[in-house]
Amino acid sequence: NAGVTQTPKFQVLKTGQSMTLQCAQDMNHNSMYWYRQDPGMGLRLIYYSASEGTTDKGEVPNGYNVSRLNKREFSLRLESAAPSQTSVYFCASTQGTGGYGNQPQHFGDGTRLSIL
Amino acid sequence: RKEVEQDPGPFNVPEGATVAFNCTYSNSASQSFFWYRQDCRKEPKLLMSVYSSGNEDGRFTAQLNRASQYISLLIRDSKLSDSATYLCVVNPPLRSARQLTFGSGTQLTVLP
Repeated sequence: NAGVTQTPKFQVLKTGQSMTLQCAQDMNHNSMYWYRQDPGMGLRLIYYSASEGTTDKGEVPNGYNVSRLNKREFSLRLESAAPSQTSVYFCASTQGTGGYGNQPQHFGDGTRLSIL
Repeated sequence: RKEVEQDPGPFNVPEGATVAFNCTYSNSASQSFFWYRQDCRKEPKLLMSVYSSGNEDGRFTAQLNRASQYISLLIRDSKLSDSATYLCVVNPPLRSARQLTFGSGTQLTVLP
């Protein structure tokens, strides 16, 4: 049982380049999330999807877009990468619909992204 | 004031010691509380939920103090494998995951 799988694990981009981070879960979870983690700042929510077909902004959505392709997959796109987006990105999922925060989240092992 | 605050540490303790962390939160109407563990350069993993009456899981005890707005994590008989960063997570009202706030973590190193 793989849980939450993120690809790629590492990526280096130049300023202005675009890329998509992929996330897939095999736990039949309804809600999925994208976070970024920066030193000393904790995890911050970028976007989330409370159920298949819906997406919503989190705390720091600027510069990102997301797609909930199907129940399993939730991708994060950087259209024009900036050095401020250098971070570790985590995808997570929870069982219930509605994106309720009273449920524990299952995380992927992260994508380490550097933008030069 | 941050919504969720943790002492970043590091806490360096010998094997077998008892260590406790606190995490304070600013929204008195917060509803759900968790402790996660994060190993170096790895993903956060749920350690335990925190219930109003307090709860215990083996060597780990979590407590909630609503009056003073903090949650605590107590680790007894520390093991080398307990070395990690411990994140507290607080969910304000509405129970929306959009509202979830992660603390920046407390680093624990258990020394042989």
